[in-house]
Formats: sequence, structure tokens, C-alpha cells
Amino acid sequence: GAVVSQHPSWVICKSGTSVKIECRSLDFQATTMFWYRQFPKQSLMLMATSNEGSKATYEQGVEKDKFLINHASLTLSTLTVTSAHPEDSSFYICSAVGTSGRTWDTQYFGPGTRLTVL
Amino acid sequence: DAKTTQPTSMDCAEGRAANLPCNHSTISGNEYVYWYRQIHSQGPQYIIHGLKNNETNEMASLIITEDRKSSTLILPHATLRDTAVYYCIVLLTNSGYALNFGKGTSLLVTP
Repeated sequence: GAVVSQHPSWVICKSGTSVKIECRSLDFQATTMFWYRQFPKQSLMLMATSNEGSKATYEQGVEKDKFLINHASLTLSTLTVTSAHPEDSSFYICSAVGTSGRTWDTQYFGPGTRLTVL
Repeated sequence: DAKTTQPTSMDCAEGRAANLPCNHSTISGNEYVYWYRQIHSQGPQYIIHGLKNNETNEMASLIITEDRKSSTLILPHATLRDTAVYYCIVLLTNSGYALNFGKGTSLLVTP
């Protein structure tokens, strides 16, 4: 149990295009989802916190108009990178926290999405 | 959240126990100790967490000192697949708070 999926697992796009990444909790309902970004040889850095049905809270330095987050249901959150540029190339990872049982106090992570912007 | 200190890297022979230490001397009474690991190019994987008592699950054991200022994650029989970066994270609760991944310990399990 407590499985989180991400789609796609990797994507290559041209500069200026938009890319949508999906994060799904497969066997539990997630009230809160987090989006992280990881550059090569660095640790994960939080980008935003997303609560179902409300606007996401972005970390300082993360442009909310560039990284659009939608958490429309208890099992799905999406991150859209708008007008992507090469410096947005990174490993994007989501995590989800459930509403009950062992998912209540533990974050479970997706496998990550590798974005390469040419 | 309390800061943590972990060794940068460790080696362990396959089949032996891997003991990964973590110092969290400023931990407060209601903060939990969580351990995650990240295998290269994958998302972090939850391992175990605890408050005061030692904990054990199918993956590992967590030993927390009585004063709670340090803890040790034990992988009882390390395998090559346990090679990863291990993160010790202290926070009030995992439910509504993002995780502050420090640098972690890079564990290399060798044949």
C-alpha cells in the first residue's frame, strides 16, 4: 500500500513549450501533496505545498506563474511547467500524505519525472 | 525543525549490518525522527520513524538514545540494493510539513 505514481517518468521538450506532470496516490487519499525539485548531485528542494481544493503555497523563489499546480482531487495533483527553459531541466518529485492509517503521518514519494528542456 | 548531522559517506560489506548514525541534539520533545533513502534517480523511499521508543519494521530498526539527541538506523543484513543516500529528518509530524532533506549519508554496500 501507499503507492504514489508520476507520469511521465521522463520528458524532453523544446524551449518555450509547456509540460504537465501528474502525481497520483494510487491506494490512498491524499489531502496534501508536495512538489520537490532536485538538480544533479544536490538534495531535494521543496517547490510548493498543495492542499486539495485550495491554492498551492509556493516556496520563496519559486515562480507561481511558471510552475502551475492543481490539486483538484484527493488522488491527483498536477505540476505544469510553463514556457520551459533549459534551466528548468531537473528531476521533479512529488509526495503525498494520506488522511488515515499509516499514510496519515508519513509522506510517500513518487518515482520522479526527469525533465530535459532543449 | 531540529537540525540533523550525518556522516557524508559510509561503506558496508554485503551481508553485514549497516549502522547509520544521526545527531539531532536540538530535537524537541514532540519531534519525530524519520528516515528516508534515495536510490540513484529514484524518488525517496520511506524507511521508518519513531518518537522515543526503538522501532523495527521489515526494512530496518531505529534505535533512539534515551536523551533523544541521537539515533541509529540499522539495516541488519545489507545488500547491494541498499546502496543509496540515507536521510535522517526531524520534524513535528509528517502530515502537513515538507521534509527538509539535508545532505544525508551516502551508503555504499560492497560485495
